[in-house]
Amino acid sequence: AQSVTQPDIHITVSEGASLELRCNYSYGATPYLFWYVQSPGQGLQLLLKYFSGDTLVQGIKGFEAEFKRSQSSFNLRKPSVHWSDAAEYFCAVAPLGGYQKVTFGTGTKLQVIP
Amino acid sequence: NAGVMQNPRHLVRRRGQEARLRCSPMKGHSHVYWYRQLPEEGLKFMVYLQKENIIDESGMPKERFSAEFPKEGPSILRIQQVVRGDSAAYFCASSPPTSGSYEQYFGPGTRLTVT
Repeated sequence: AQSVTQPDIHITVSEGASLELRCNYSYGATPYLFWYVQSPGQGLQLLLKYFSGDTLVQGIKGFEAEFKRSQSSFNLRKPSVHWSDAAEYFCAVAPLGGYQKVTFGTGTKLQVIP
Repeated sequence: NAGVMQNPRHLVRRRGQEARLRCSPMKGHSHVYWYRQLPEEGLKFMVYLQKENIIDESGMPKERFSAEFPKEGPSILRIQQVVRGDSAAYFCASSPPTSGSYEQYFGPGTRLTVT
């Protein structure tokens, strides 16, 4: 069965600092990988996704993520964090082919301090 | 193009009552997914439906929970005889019918509180 681990429950960064959120997945083959962001009281918005090809994926709002097969990781990065980035971030995985039965990680809450 | 719509946004029920959660997918989308988010947890898959068909309900509790997506109208997630443990945020997502589209669009969620 597929699973996703986000080891950091909370992360605090200063505005303007760089950010990296960790995500490790467990799956028998290369899955589809996603990062979603959830603002308080809101639904989830897709930041970026990886299916195949270039392992460095660019997303919205200045985010990027790098797929590393050898480490089973798909970490999310942003060079300079803005106060509006404070939210909860979810990594997710779906099986290749078929429909997307998406499995989500437990999320990382990002706090941005001035 | 309106996004995925869910109503109500907040729902309060007493133990033993029924809860009905509605989801209207994005225009042109015929696939609907329901997820449940418990406090401090990620989203858990519940059920995947296409119009008039339940494709995968492996994440649905065996009792009290049901879902439908009729030919006309929104998808409905129904919880009978609610208990306190049903308190959670319930999210609906939709995707278009074309193959290879693996992006799900999420609604704002319905927050169910059972008192």
